[in-house]
Amino acid sequence: GAGVSQSPRYKVTKRGQDVALRCDPISGHVSLYWYRQALGQGPEFLTYFNYEAQQDKSGLPNDRFSAERPEGSISTLTIQRTEQRDSAMYRCASSFGRNNEQFFGPGTRLTVL
Amino acid sequence: QQQVKQSPQSLIVQKGGISIINCAYENTAFDYFPWYQQFPGKGPALLIAIRPDVSEKKEGRFTISFNKSAKQFSLHIMDSQPGDSATYFCAASALTGGGNKLTFGTGTQLKVEL
Repeated sequence: GAGVSQSPRYKVTKRGQDVALRCDPISGHVSLYWYRQALGQGPEFLTYFNYEAQQDKSGLPNDRFSAERPEGSISTLTIQRTEQRDSAMYRCASSFGRNNEQFFGPGTRLTVL
Repeated sequence: QQQVKQSPQSLIVQKGGISIINCAYENTAFDYFPWYQQFPGKGPALLIAIRPDVSEKKEGRFTISFNKSAKQFSLHIMDSQPGDSATYFCAASALTGGGNKLTFGTGTQLKVEL
């Protein structure tokens, strides 16, 4: 079937606004990861889920960032009161199991003005 | 603290040559070392991966060499082709500790010239 999809692909918002980024993993994939990739850098881990359980959120920068995966499929990464430093590519990845290959989505380019 | 250091930042190789990218890690708990290939506008895609119980893994033109004592691993691309031009990321994770939280290097932009 289809690969990992993310929406929107591009998001421009004003400082102080909240944004919600969506990830639709590959069907049947149990594990879902969120990464943030700055220009010219490698992806940086944010958080990860097994089914609907958030297993590790150690990479979330601060309490303005949160993520959920209520039914164990689609996940939403929410950034409250956005700041310019939040501007980056946000990537989602999914895997069949936690020790399996991660497949990355195309990302959401977030720009905070 | 950067836990995976990658070099060089950029690399230009002639068609048919060998491309070599190096990575070094600090966390001795890491036990899974994948390499990802990323084309412009696309997400990273797994190229090849190695576990520390072997010193080398080869898949087609791509080889990972792993030195556990030195905490270093490298990607060799033999007979490099223009289609290999992309950004390459090394990564590492501690699978045994649970989960597959990948720590990435900073990337190497490879250009293969005709």
